[in-house]
Amino acid sequence: GAVVSQHPSRVICKSGTSVKIECRSLDFQATTMFWYRQFPKKSLMLMATSNEGSKATYEQGVEKDKFLINHASLTLSTLTVTSAHPEDSSFYICSAPWRGEQFFGPGTRLTVL
Amino acid sequence: RKEVEQDPGPFNVPEGATVAFNCTYSNSASQSFFWYRQDCRKEPKLLMSVYSSGNEDGRFTAQLNRASQYISLLIRDSKLSDSATYLCVVNMATDSWGKFQFGAGTQVVVTP
Repeated sequence: GAVVSQHPSRVICKSGTSVKIECRSLDFQATTMFWYRQFPKKSLMLMATSNEGSKATYEQGVEKDKFLINHASLTLSTLTVTSAHPEDSSFYICSAPWRGEQFFGPGTRLTVL
Repeated sequence: RKEVEQDPGPFNVPEGATVAFNCTYSNSASQSFFWYRQDCRKEPKLLMSVYSSGNEDGRFTAQLNRASQYISLLIRDSKLSDSATYLCVVNMATDSWGKFQFGAGTQVVVTP
C-alpha cells in the first residue's frame, strides 16, 4: 500500500506560537489531502480538504485563518496552527486517497501549554 | 442527528467468542463504506471495505443494508489482538472522493 508520513509526530509549544505540521505522500501523488482532528475518546473530525494548486475547503466551524493549509506540491500539504491555544491541543491526522483507498499519516500530537 | 453513529461500547468479548456491532448512516446517497481499525494513539488503518453483497475477510464479515442504512461488522473467533476501536467510515461526497465521515468508534476489548 501507499505510505503517508507526518512531521513532527509530537510537538509541545507555548500558547500564542504557531506550529506547522507536514503531511507527505511518499510513493504516490495526491492532488487532494484531508486534515482531521481527534480529541481523546472522540471520533476523527474532518477539518478541511487540501487541494493542490488551489485553496483549501474548510468544514463548517473550522476557522481558515487559524488553521492555514498549503498544498504546495503533489506530495506535500502543510497545516499551520496559528496563535495556538491550549484548546488546540489535539491529535491531528492527515490522509490521502490512492487507488480507491484512504491512507492515513501516523498523526501529530500537539500540546499547547 | 450525527451523520454516522456507532455504539461506543466497550464490547467485552471472551477470547474465541463472536462479536458483532452496527453503524448507521443518515445520508441515503452515501457512496462507499469502510471499517477502519484504530489502536490507541495511532492512526486509523483500513480493515475492510464493505460491499453491497457483503464480504468476508478471514474472521471478519461486513454487511451493508442500504434499505435500513446501516453496516455491520462481525468478528469470529476473537483474538486478544482484535482489541481496538473499530471506526465506521462513510464516503458521502459525490464530488470529492475521500471526503470521509467517521463514526465515533466502537471499542472492543477481548479478554483471556
